[in-house]
Amino acid sequence: EAGVTQFPSHSVIEKGQTVTLRCDPISGHDNLYWYRRVMGKEIKFLLHFVKESKQDESGMPNNRFLAERTGGTYSTLKVQPAELEDSGVYFCASSPALAGAYEQYFGPGTRLTVT
Amino acid sequence: AQSVTQLGSHVSVSEGALVLLRCNYSSSVPPYLFWYVQYPNQGLQLLLKYTTGATLVKGINGFEAEFKKSETSFHLTKPSAHMSDAAEYFCAVQNTGFQKLVFGTGTRLLVSP
Repeated sequence: EAGVTQFPSHSVIEKGQTVTLRCDPISGHDNLYWYRRVMGKEIKFLLHFVKESKQDESGMPNNRFLAERTGGTYSTLKVQPAELEDSGVYFCASSPALAGAYEQYFGPGTRLTVT
Repeated sequence: AQSVTQLGSHVSVSEGALVLLRCNYSSSVPPYLFWYVQYPNQGLQLLLKYTTGATLVKGINGFEAEFKKSETSFHLTKPSAHMSDAAEYFCAVQNTGFQKLVFGTGTRLLVSP
């Protein structure tokens, strides 16, 4: 079974540009999460999808971030326009909708550098 | 609001020595607790979890953790460190199933020969 995949693995963009990150969850996982780790700090929650619906987007930092999950499969996270403070590693995770199966399976992350 | 404190951003041990990584949490409800490990250039991998039941939880690679409600702790231990254990370890708390994870700042474990 394939794990969570993320694309690209690295992205270097200039301030003001747009970047789109993609996450493919484990097949059949209804729950999809985005997290971010800014250098030296903790991994912070951004938002949670259940299928195609946003269940919790309390961690989204501002309206420059837009997440979608059309069709309840893969998800994209767009940053437009990017700012220097958006640099960090963006992790995607997924979990099945099964009671007791609460662990989240993480992808390798996308390292975003805004210059 | 929930929070997690991991004492020590770096912990150094010798190969064969005891590994002890500390995690304390705050939560208004009985939490679910997790330890994840991140090896270089990889994603986070679940080491172990506590949801309900036995408070001593065994995980992969010889790690275990004990949930102590009175101390609000979930420390991670391993009796004998291997070189391959060198990685960054994250403690996380979850309010209820399927909700967001709240992470600590991580502890980097260094293992010397």
